[in-house]
Amino acid sequence: SQQGEEDPQALSIQEGENATMNCSYKTSINNLQWYRQNSGRGLVHLILIRSNEREKHSGRLRVTLDTSKKSSSLLITASRAADTASYFCATAPIGQGGKLIFGQGTELSVKP
Amino acid sequence: GAVVSQHPSRVICKSGTSVKIECRSLDFQATTMFWYRQFPKQSLMLMATSNEGSKATYEQGVEKDKFLINHASLTLSTLTVTSAHPEDSSFYICSLGTLYGYTFGSGTRLTVV
Repeated sequence: SQQGEEDPQALSIQEGENATMNCSYKTSINNLQWYRQNSGRGLVHLILIRSNEREKHSGRLRVTLDTSKKSSSLLITASRAADTASYFCATAPIGQGGKLIFGQGTELSVKP
Repeated sequence: GAVVSQHPSRVICKSGTSVKIECRSLDFQATTMFWYRQFPKQSLMLMATSNEGSKATYEQGVEKDKFLINHASLTLSTLTVTSAHPEDSSFYICSLGTLYGYTFGSGTRLTVV
């Protein structure tokens, strides 16, 4: 399969709690990105981490990248009901013309 | 970043007919665009890479004759679903990449009845 794997597939938490999603991929990459998608809608770019970076922050988001394990994690702190959405990691494999390969996604539900 | 306009946002067609989806880059000359398909509750699957002025590159398992891609200019790529069947009902999304990142169209919800 061209896709990487994400876990968990679904995550349900209470508002205020932290949410952690993990992503694994298969090939050497230029960068890894995280996207959010509300049900039936388009994609929203959250954060990009380059292959030479190990950690990156953006607001309540924290992304880590371990190229030796070919894995990444997305942490959303102090979650809100509005964070309810599907989250996807996407990688840009080296030498593949810039195409993005998406992980299977994590469906996050944040309950008020 | 670049702005991508995708039309139509929704289309319902009868089985056996063809549907054309347009993806326009409004402020960037895109030599390459990407087409994805997403079934309900699933992730985005790359269908093909659209190359301006040349043939598209299709991913394994994607039927070239069924999903016709035309990238005749630096600002327009089209995906035509030919002889559509109910199993082609899906969410189709285009994308382009620039030095500053990727931009996605808003998607087209295709329903074949």
